[in-house]
Amino acid sequence: DIQMTQSPSTLSASVGDRVTITCRASQTVFHWLAWYQQKPGKAPRLLIYKVSSLETGVPSRFSGSGSGTEFTLTINSLQPDDFATYYCQHYYAAPRAFGQGTKVEIK
Amino acid sequence: QVQLQESGPGLVRPPQTLSLTCSVSGGSINGDIDYWTWVRQAAGTGLEWIGRLEYIGTSTYNPSLESRVTISVDTSRNEFSLRLTSVTAADTAVYYCGGTTKNYVRALDVWGRGTTVTVSS
Repeated sequence: DIQMTQSPSTLSASVGDRVTITCRASQTVFHWLAWYQQKPGKAPRLLIYKVSSLETGVPSRFSGSGSGTEFTLTINSLQPDDFATYYCQHYYAAPRAFGQGTKVEIK
Repeated sequence: QVQLQESGPGLVRPPQTLSLTCSVSGGSINGDIDYWTWVRQAAGTGLEWIGRLEYIGTSTYNPSLESRVTISVDTSRNEFSLRLTSVTAADTAVYYCGGTTKNYVRALDVWGRGTTVTVSS
């Protein structure tokens, strides 16, 4: 099974900051990597698919990059609505595992 | 646009079988959504992929649950279902259904709101 490891687990930031979250796969997942945002009591929301493609309706301050086994999610100019937990997920093969999540908190 | 809604009992006694349904509205399960997926989240923890069923009929499951899980589809009712046998307290979680409405995306671009299932005697 491919394991996904995110870092950091928690991140404290201020409105306007640039934030970067890292996701590492235990083996290559090629370009089959997605990022989701989840707020308390809500379902996850797809932000980015295939490493860097922005889902429809997602603000352009969100971006994704990487390849193979190392990926990043960047949020430029953090907004109040962005404080949430973020998960990466590979969908290369079963089980299509998620990372453990990164909580972005208000500093 | 396509919307999903989970339904099922909120309480299941061990070691009974947990059965949940994901109803599809705003579109047809036969063509408007693929990769019918179940994900769960225990309180205070991260997301766990349970498994998925594809339009072409292929199903794949998390090896940690594979011996107990079945995902099926009923196209006449426009819904897909999760069946998890021999439940224990460790299966207590919020269960989400999800899928893909755009084939070029292939990630989960639509989700239900989730349903809470408690396993307790």
